[in-house]
Amino acid sequence: DAGITQSPRHKVTETGTPVTLRCHQTENHRYMYWYRQDPGHGLRLIHYSYGVKDTDKGEVSDGYSVSRSKTEDFLLTLESATSSQTSVYFCAISWGSGYTFGSGTRLTVV
Amino acid sequence: AQTVTQSQPEMSVQEAETVTLSCTYDTSESDYYLFWYKQPPSRQMILVIRQEAYKQQNATENRFSVNFQKAAKSFSLKISDSQLGDAAMYFCAYLQGAQKLVFGQGTRLTINP
Repeated sequence: DAGITQSPRHKVTETGTPVTLRCHQTENHRYMYWYRQDPGHGLRLIHYSYGVKDTDKGEVSDGYSVSRSKTEDFLLTLESATSSQTSVYFCAISWGSGYTFGSGTRLTVV
Repeated sequence: AQTVTQSQPEMSVQEAETVTLSCTYDTSESDYYLFWYKQPPSRQMILVIRQEAYKQQNATENRFSVNFQKAAKSFSLKISDSQLGDAAMYFCAYLQGAQKLVFGQGTRLTINP
C-alpha cells in the first residue's frame, strides 16, 4: 500500500541462520507493528513501536527482536530462525483508528 | 486480554445472494473500534468496514454492512449481492488501547457462480 513497503517479499532461509525483515514508511507515523499470519490463527502481534527506540512485546514475541533507529524504519530480526517461524509477516502503521498494512513477506525456514 | 472469535472457518454463497459472517469479541472497555478486513489471494489486507463502539448506528459501505450488537459483543458482516470478486479471507479485528489490533482467526469465503 502507498506509504509503507516491506522487503523482501519472499525469503527462504536455513534453520539457525539470522534473518532481518525491513519495514519502511513515508508517512511519519509514530506507531509501527509486526504481525505474523498463520492458518487458523489470523494475524498475531509480534512487536510494536510507539516511537524511535521505543518498542514493546506483542502476543508472540519469543524468538524475535526489533529495532527502530529512525521514524521511517522498523526492523524485525529472527536471531536464529526455526521452522516454526515459517510464516507470512506483515508490517503495519497506524494513526488514530486507521491502519495500513504492507504487502507482506513470506518467510520459509527449511 | 481482549479476544476475537470467528467461528466459521469457511463459508460459501451463490453469486448474487447474501451472506453473513460472524464475529464475537470479549472486552471490558466501553470505547473501541471494530473492523472487517478482506484478504484476497494477493495477500493485501484491505479495510472493508469500520465501526466505532460509541455509535449505535450500524456502519455500511455499499454492499457491505454490519450488525453491531454491543451488549452481546457481536459484530457480523453482511455482504449483499455477492460477487466473484468478494471471494477472499475475511478477518474481524478489534482495536484496543495502545493502538494494537487483535484479529480473529479468519473466514474463507467462496463465491459459487
